Amino acid sequence: AQKITQTQPGMFVQEKEAVTLDCTYDTSDPSYGLFWYKQPSSGEMIFLIYQGSYDQQNATEGRYSLNFQKARKSANLVISASQLGDSAMYFCAMRRIQGAQKLVFGQGTRLTINP
Amino acid sequence: DTAVSQTPKYLVTQMGNDKSIKCEQNLGHDTMYWYKQDSKKFLKIMFSYNNKELIINETVPNRFSPKSPDKAHLNLHINSLELGDSAVYFCASSPTLNTGELFFGEGSRLTVL
Repeated sequence: AQKITQTQPGMFVQEKEAVTLDCTYDTSDPSYGLFWYKQPSSGEMIFLIYQGSYDQQNATEGRYSLNFQKARKSANLVISASQLGDSAMYFCAMRRIQGAQKLVFGQGTRLTINP
Repeated sequence: DTAVSQTPKYLVTQMGNDKSIKCEQNLGHDTMYWYKQDSKKFLKIMFSYNNKELIINETVPNRFSPKSPDKAHLNLHINSLELGDSAVYFCASSPTLNTGELFFGEGSRLTVL
């Protein structure tokens, strides 16, 4: 069974600082994908970044990067130069690649950016 | 154009009633999902459909019945609503069963009184 753990219920960061949101996962499958989603107070789920288990390089999308450490089973999200608009819930998720697989989510981390 | 649209966005109803939430995607995706987000923000899959065929049915009470008339639509009907059904229900779609990220609708907040 897959499991995603986000150990930080809440994070408070000063504007313009970088922030790392932790995510560890548990799976016995060799092929899987890791995702990060953002949920602002308005409620919608916004896809941020994806990392495949066989990708050689860490994924990056603008100010978002994923620090993927396969041996440690961690997939931390790094947001550089944080902005007030980054305040939101952030969810880490994973999905097995083989067969019909569901996206399993972590508990989420609430990030607050202070001016 | 909204990629994944759900209606209604808000639903307030009494215990025991029956209600439906509709979902449509215009992305041409094969696979659609229903997720439930509880009051603690935890997201859990309920169902997934691929080309109108039920693929995943998590441990969901049989009061919940999904219906997919075509691959662009996935509706959720809930019978005999209970207080514990209060949650935000998200519809989502993905290109195929096991590739690509999920695109989510805006969510439908259901409140059962």
